[in-house]
Amino acid sequence: EVQLLESGGGLVQPGGSLRLSCEASGFTLSNYAMSWVRQAPGKGLERVSVISGPEATTYYIDSVKGRFTISRDNSKSTLYLQMNSLRAEDTALYYCAKGRNLGEWLMGSWGQGTLVTVAS
Amino acid sequence: DIQMTQSPSTLSASVGDRVTITCRASQSISIYLAWYQQKPGKAPKLLIYDASNLESGVPSRFSGSGSGTEFTLTISSLQPDDFATYYCLQYVSSSPWTFGQGTKVEIK
Repeated sequence: EVQLLESGGGLVQPGGSLRLSCEASGFTLSNYAMSWVRQAPGKGLERVSVISGPEATTYYIDSVKGRFTISRDNSKSTLYLQMNSLRAEDTALYYCAKGRNLGEWLMGSWGQGTLVTVAS
Repeated sequence: DIQMTQSPSTLSASVGDRVTITCRASQSISIYLAWYQQKPGKAPKLLIYDASNLESGVPSRFSGSGSGTEFTLTISSLQPDDFATYYCLQYVSSSPWTFGQGTKVEIK
């Protein structure tokens, strides 16, 4: 059974940093595209970043380019999102999600999310 | 970026009703359209991919149709478990992926 468990969220001041983690089980992390998708309180969904399967190609939306870095540690089966220079508009529930199938980027399975609050 | 417009924003319906939600793309996305269901406090759940393919384990009362710029999600007979918010997502690889703003299905 696929399981995704996010952690690392919390309250951080504007300009600060956080590293989110997503511990994956039930599949081989390195074989699948993995995404971070966020949802601001009471708002819709926004895919923030993706790392593809074995080739580990990365993608970011414009608003986080240069500030966020997606990575993974295959030995720990863990996906990360390093978030620097955080802004109030980054406040959201951050989900990690697994590609639906090998070679697919479409998000199939999702974790339960970790909340990031950027405020002074 | 491709804009996705869902309608209606809110829909009031009764158990047993046939429900249709529409998603329009600002330009053609072929069939690269998915539908997700989200319940309060829960993660989104994939229902439909490639516009009309039912994800494994999803009840057959859910169906999707469309191509190009206009798509629909239909629930043939609304069940109590279906009251939720539904999002469309376009996933054309050459463009940033974008979700619709969501449609909340409420009990009438």
